[in-house]
Amino acid sequence: DTGVSQNPRHKITKRGQNVTFRCDPISEHNRLYWYRQTLGQGPEFLTYFQNEAQLEKSRLLSDRFSAERPKGSFSTLEIQRTEQGDSAMYLCASSLVQGNTEAFFGQGTRLTVV
Amino acid sequence: GENVEQHPSTLSVQEGDSAVIKCTYSDSASNYFPWYKQELGKRPQLIIDIRSNVGEKKDQRIAVTLNKTAKHFSLHITETQPEDSAVYFCAVYTGGFKTIFGAGTRLFVKA
Repeated sequence: DTGVSQNPRHKITKRGQNVTFRCDPISEHNRLYWYRQTLGQGPEFLTYFQNEAQLEKSRLLSDRFSAERPKGSFSTLEIQRTEQGDSAMYLCASSLVQGNTEAFFGQGTRLTVV
Repeated sequence: GENVEQHPSTLSVQEGDSAVIKCTYSDSASNYFPWYKQELGKRPQLIIDIRSNVGEKKDQRIAVTLNKTAKHFSLHITETQPEDSAVYFCAVYTGGFKTIFGAGTRLFVKA
C-alpha cells in the first residue's frame, strides 16, 4: 500500500493516560499535516510539517499535544494526560511541496478516552 | 485567520436531480480550492479541485465554479446517484500552507 498509513486505527485509553499515534506519509511527499475530526464536523487543522520542520501549529494544539517528524519521513502525535474532550478521529495527510497540490489522507486513528 | 463557511449542512435530493453545495471564504490570497468526499468510516478523498486562475472545472458529473471577486465557490453534481450519498467538504488552501475545511454537507440521494 503506497498511500498514507496511520497506526493504530483505534485507541481506547483511560483519562489521564498518554497516547502516541504514528503517520507514515507517501514517501516522496514533503508536507505532512495532522487534523482532528469530530462527528459531523470537517477536519480541523492541528499542525503542519515541511520535511522535518514544524512550520505551523493551531491554537487548538494545547501544551498537552506534541508532534514530531524527526527525519522528515514518518510523524508522531502525542497527547499527554488525555481528557474526554480529546476523543476524536485524528487524521494525517501528506502532499508535495511543489505548488498547491492534493492532500492525501490516511485512514485516521480513532481515539476514545474513557 | 481564514474562515470557510459551507452551506447547506444537509441536502436531500431525488436520484437523477442535481445537487449544489456552496462555500465562502475570507482570505483573498487563497488560491487552491479542493473538494473532498467522505463516506461513512472512510478517509476524505479528493473529488475535484480548482485553482484561482480558473473560473470553472468539470469532470463528468461533477463541476466546480469559483468567483474570486465574491470569494465563493460551489460544487455541482448532476444526475445524482445513490452512491453519491456522503459528506462533502470544501477546503481552501491558504498562504500559510495549510488547508482549512468547511464543516461539511451531508448529501442524501434518494432512490
